[in-house]
Amino acid sequence: QSALTQPPSASGSPGQSVTISCTGTSSDVGGFYYVSWYQQHPGKAPKLMIYEVTKRPSGVPDRFSGSKSGNTASLTVSGLQAEDEADYYCSSDGGSNKYVVFGGGTKLTVL
Amino acid sequence: EVQLVESGGGLIQPGGSLRVSCAASGIIVSRNYMSWVRQAPGKGLEWVSVIYSGGSTFYADSVKGRFTISRDNSKNTLYLQMNSLRVDDTAVYYCARGDGLEYGMDVWGQGTTVTVSS
Repeated sequence: QSALTQPPSASGSPGQSVTISCTGTSSDVGGFYYVSWYQQHPGKAPKLMIYEVTKRPSGVPDRFSGSKSGNTASLTVSGLQAEDEADYYCSSDGGSNKYVVFGGGTKLTVL
Repeated sequence: EVQLVESGGGLIQPGGSLRVSCAASGIIVSRNYMSWVRQAPGKGLEWVSVIYSGGSTFYADSVKGRFTISRDNSKNTLYLQMNSLRVDDTAVYYCARGDGLEYGMDVWGQGTTVTVSS
């Protein structure tokens, strides 16, 4: 069982927006500003999409945005495109002795 | 171009040992935080270990006492020595730059597959 809870699936039509949630506790997501999001296509390595809750690495489209409220972080993908179909994982500072914790992943389907 | 290339995976019996490597180009391993993350078949990502530029190391509880992260500065290579391997250690092992906290893990290798089975 993953430390952070994500919905197993999400979907949207091209051009729409989709938001994926990542729920933890005050000991991880709620307690730190170190939430990251990763995109993983089948058979490929993960790719960093968001770090420190809201920041985008160079080269990541601004259609991807992150936010946090309390113990829940969110990734929003706007203007959905076919290539956005992938698994998405959140991660957070796990606190005193867990270092980094991941969510179970969300499979995003572009209808 | 920044690149991480893992190697050393394979089939190993339970209780055995294996060392996987991560050769870096375009970055200096010793000047970066470097991590290992694994993914069991059909499962999600699991953080395994990190080594700081200063040499401090941290491990997930699931591998503590069995796995050791290290680096060879002369070869610009990161390692993960895995001892007392168990069936549930079966996974693709990825190396990544960063500790997953500040700045996230921004460069990943392609992964190397470790299968623990009798």
